[in-house]
Amino acid sequence: QKEVEQDPGPLSVPEGAIVSLNCTYSNSAFQYFMWYRQYSRKGPELLMYTYSSGNKEDGRFTAQVDKSSKYISLFIRDSQPSDSATYLCACCSGNTPLVFGKGTRLSVIA
Amino acid sequence: EAQVTQNPRYLITVTGKKLTVTCSQNMNHEYMSWYRQDPGLGLRQIYYSMNVEVTDKGDVPEGYKVSRKEKRNFPLILESPSPNQTSLYFCASSFWGQTNTEAFFGQGTRLTVV
Repeated sequence: QKEVEQDPGPLSVPEGAIVSLNCTYSNSAFQYFMWYRQYSRKGPELLMYTYSSGNKEDGRFTAQVDKSSKYISLFIRDSQPSDSATYLCACCSGNTPLVFGKGTRLSVIA
Repeated sequence: EAQVTQNPRYLITVTGKKLTVTCSQNMNHEYMSWYRQDPGLGLRQIYYSMNVEVTDKGDVPEGYKVSRKEKRNFPLILESPSPNQTSLYFCASSFWGQTNTEAFFGQGTRLTVV
């Protein structure tokens, strides 16, 4: 089993929809959880960063971590065509390299 | 501006012809790494470096070399490229051993080996 599993999609939604992107992880030592967004022909960029369990909100984006079930989620409200990108989850324990999921490709259709 | 710079952005080469992809960061990061990204396989780490003169293998190191003689530079060397190394390559850097482990990525190098 890979340390971080992520459904690659692709996922296609209409503009304005609520999007839910998810990852599971296997390493109990992971404490830091991130979501990166990668536009076509660009490098990934950090979108959200959370420590341990709980929710973190930033505008239309909410990152959620449930350490008891080793499950992390990214919710996008009122999705826009500009949100079309690949979203990668990443985890680490502070003194280990980031471990990335494979990424989920999202298309928001106007 | 804080950035990771990779060169070249695009490269087409022939099998067996040695090449180097350069990576430079201006954020004084200790940690640097190389990834390749392939459809359906996601980001896979090739090599990483926790500081000058300290490098280690990632998940897919075969066919690649790296060096870290200076903190800001981390070149990726393909001594004898083969077609299965055709891929999109990313260099990334971050601080190490801190709670803020945000990785900054370069723009990517699309390599084609024919």
